[in-house]
Amino acid sequence: NAGVTQTPKFRVLKTGQSMTLLCAQDMNHEYMYWYRQDPGMGLRLIHYSVGEGTTAKGEVPDGYNVSRLKKQNFLLGLESAAPSQTSVYFCAGDSGLNTEAFFGQGTRLTVV
Amino acid sequence: AQSVSQHNHHVILSEAASLELGCNYSYGGTVNLFWYVQYPGQHLQLLLKYFSGDPLVKGIKGFEAEFIKSKFSFNLRKPSVQWSDTAEYFCAVRPRNKLVFGAGTILRVKS
Repeated sequence: NAGVTQTPKFRVLKTGQSMTLLCAQDMNHEYMYWYRQDPGMGLRLIHYSVGEGTTAKGEVPDGYNVSRLKKQNFLLGLESAAPSQTSVYFCAGDSGLNTEAFFGQGTRLTVV
Repeated sequence: AQSVSQHNHHVILSEAASLELGCNYSYGGTVNLFWYVQYPGQHLQLLLKYFSGDPLVKGIKGFEAEFIKSKFSFNLRKPSVQWSDTAEYFCAVRPRNKLVFGAGTILRVKS
């Protein structure tokens, strides 16, 4: 079992470029989450999904879009990257209340 | 605004001192509660979790936490810290549909 896998691990973008981060899980998680981690801010929830075909906004959704066409994949898109989106991005999944979340290894994104 | 509040952003302690990190949340209804630790340069690691039952929860590395429902709090404690406890600590709350984190507390233990 691979668990929760994020790709890529590192990326440098120029301002205005677009990219998609992929989160793949083989743990049959119903819920999936995208976070960004910045110093002093903790992990802030960008978007999340409560099941295949569903998405919802988290605390800091602006500038990001997501899709969950298949249960095992949760994609995070940046349509026009900005330097303020320089961060470490984490994906996670769980199976609902009374279950533990599992995290991907993180993606370090730098926007110049 | 985050609905999980960690009271102290930086804490500095000497070895053998006792630790208490505060965490309050604003969600009603049933919640799951977690404390995570992130050592420098490493990924998040689960310290302990509360789902139901005994409100005093014991975790790894000698950490424990107490859930006080009436205060919407889940404070982390350790009787005697070690230099190796230097890390950032995150409280997380899971209401029905999502998992939300606090801003973190950076703990530095002086040897």
